[in-house]
Amino acid sequence: AQTVTQSQPEMSVQEAETVTLSCTYDTSESDYYLFWYKQPPSRQMILVIRQEAYKQQNATENRFSVNFQKAAKSFSLKISDSQLGDAAMYFCASRNTGGFKTIFGAGTRLFVKA
Amino acid sequence: GAVVSQHPSWVICKSGTSVKIECRSLDFQATTMFWYRQFPKQSLMLMATSNEGSKATYEQGVEKDKFLINHASLTLSTLTVTSAHPEDSSFYICSALLAGSGELFFGEGSRLTVL
Repeated sequence: AQTVTQSQPEMSVQEAETVTLSCTYDTSESDYYLFWYKQPPSRQMILVIRQEAYKQQNATENRFSVNFQKAAKSFSLKISDSQLGDAAMYFCASRNTGGFKTIFGAGTRLFVKA
Repeated sequence: GAVVSQHPSWVICKSGTSVKIECRSLDFQATTMFWYRQFPKQSLMLMATSNEGSKATYEQGVEKDKFLINHASLTLSTLTVTSAHPEDSSFYICSALLAGSGELFFGEGSRLTVL
């Protein structure tokens, strides 16, 4: 079974600082995708970053990067130079390559202080 | 990126009535769509997988007779909440899988309030 765990219900960061959101997952598959989604107050889900499990290199999208530790089944998100617009719920998610179901973690609410 | 549209974005109905929510992929064909339910301050709970031209696959604990899903075309899936009750009030989100990319695109969500 797939599970995704986010142990931080809330996080806070000062504007322009860096913050790391934690995520661990479990799957019996060898090939899968991992995602971080952002859900702002509008409730629209936005893909932040995606990682294919077979790739050793950590994915990066501008100010967003991940630390993917496959053996530890850890997939943390680092947000650099935090901006007020980064304030949102962040969900970690996984999907097996051969399947369709995307499983979401409980989410971490990020507050950005001016 | 690909666009998925949901309609209506919010709906209020009386207890006992049925409500239909539409999910459309506007610029791509989606053979597979997903319906999620999200309670306040909680995560997305997968309700069912909607497959074009075939019956939906429901997750354990989701009543298929309560939540009717139809995926009659490659761009449209509908969720009908039948005989709605106040406990069905929630935020419903659909997503569509862009074949080949492995990427999910989400609709804007629909807030259902049952009085």
